[in-house]
Amino acid sequence: GAVVSQHPSWVICKSGTSVKIECRSLDFQATTMFWYRQFPKQSLMLMATSNEGSKATYEQGVEKDKFLINHASLTLSTLTVTSAHPEDSSFYICSARAESSYNSPLHFGNGTRLTVT
Amino acid sequence: AQSVAQPEDQVNVAEGNPLTVKCTYSVSGNPYLFWYVQYPNRGLQFLLKYITGDNLVKGSYGFEAEFNKSQTSFHLKKPSALVSDSALYFCAVRDNSGNTPLVFGKGTRLSVIA
Repeated sequence: GAVVSQHPSWVICKSGTSVKIECRSLDFQATTMFWYRQFPKQSLMLMATSNEGSKATYEQGVEKDKFLINHASLTLSTLTVTSAHPEDSSFYICSARAESSYNSPLHFGNGTRLTVT
Repeated sequence: AQSVAQPEDQVNVAEGNPLTVKCTYSVSGNPYLFWYVQYPNRGLQFLLKYITGDNLVKGSYGFEAEFNKSQTSFHLKKPSALVSDSALYFCAVRDNSGNTPLVFGKGTRLSVIA
């Protein structure tokens, strides 16, 4: 149980275009989802916390107009990278808790590798 | 502020030998500690966690970790390494004061050599 599905697994886009990444909790409801960014040989950086039915909470230094997050249902959160540039190329990973307890583990999607040319 | 240190970028172990991946942490309150494993181009998989209770925690795939409060450490261990254990391992911590974000270490790449 507790499967998080992320789509697409990889995407190549041209500079200036927008890309949408979907994160779905397949067998549980997630009022909160988390979006991370991972650079090569580096750790995960929390970008934002996605809250169902309300605005996302962005970490310091993350542009909310650049990385649009929508959490319209209890099983789906989307991250849209707007007007993508080559420096946005990275591995984006979403996660969610299957249980409401704060000490329950996060379940991660398989990530999306974005390459902006 | 919360922080996690994984002092080793790379750990090399011969198959069949015991392995240890080190992790130390810093939190203002009591810690919730986690280990995750990441295979190439994949998300992270949960291995084990420490919340409270017994300091020795057993997890998936034969891994275990020992919580040491005095040394603020949570090292990951396995008695006998397998080649298939080769992956990137992340230690993570958050405190128990509320819905604070999970903070990850920079990761340790484990290579198990046949």
